[in-house]
Amino acid sequence: DQQVKQNSPSLSVQEGRISILNCDYTNSMFDYFLWYKKYPAEGPTFLISISSIKDKNEDGRFTVFLNKSAKHLSLHIVPSQPGDSAVYFCAARVHGQNFVFGPGTRLSVLP
Amino acid sequence: IAGITQAPTSQILAAGRRMTLRCTQDMRHNAMYWYRQDLGLGLRLIHYSNTAGTTGKGEVPDGYSVSRANTDDFPLTLASAVPSQTSVYFCASSGQQGGNEQFFGPGTRLTVL
Repeated sequence: DQQVKQNSPSLSVQEGRISILNCDYTNSMFDYFLWYKKYPAEGPTFLISISSIKDKNEDGRFTVFLNKSAKHLSLHIVPSQPGDSAVYFCAARVHGQNFVFGPGTRLSVLP
Repeated sequence: IAGITQAPTSQILAAGRRMTLRCTQDMRHNAMYWYRQDLGLGLRLIHYSNTAGTTGKGEVPDGYSVSRANTDDFPLTLASAVPSQTSVYFCASSGQQGGNEQFFGPGTRLTVL
């Protein structure tokens, strides 16, 4: 059973609008969460992180929200740009253990 | 070398053959990882190493082996490849196990026929 779920395999958004990517998890011991971005034929690259002691972290156009009671986090991209088109992976870990990755969501930003 | 390199970029392999995927990092990171990426399943951890001389099993270790003779290199070996091992393989590293950020290599696309 997957501990980290990304239930939307794909998402299409118009350029300039907001993109919201969702991630749900089952392990309440997870204390740190990451989002990675992956372009075709490249390795994933780190995008943004959040600790379980926070409920929001912002970096430019990217904001991650964490709702611990719902075991849910989301990545907001505002405004979306065509260069944001990629696969986004959510990852979570228990302190001192390895990260567990979700299956990914493919974002397409349409010009 | 800058970051993590992997070789080969891609490979087509006959079932039953032995294959070693190479991974080298120049960041002096203690921890290294091997993942496979499959559609709908995301990145699944095969093996990891917390520091040179130690290795551990991840989520899907069967059919794979690793070694960590030094800090920089972390090769992944398929002793007798099977078609279900067709995948894209990513090597990654971090300062320590469970470190806050992992750096990934560009990947190796492996096809086993």
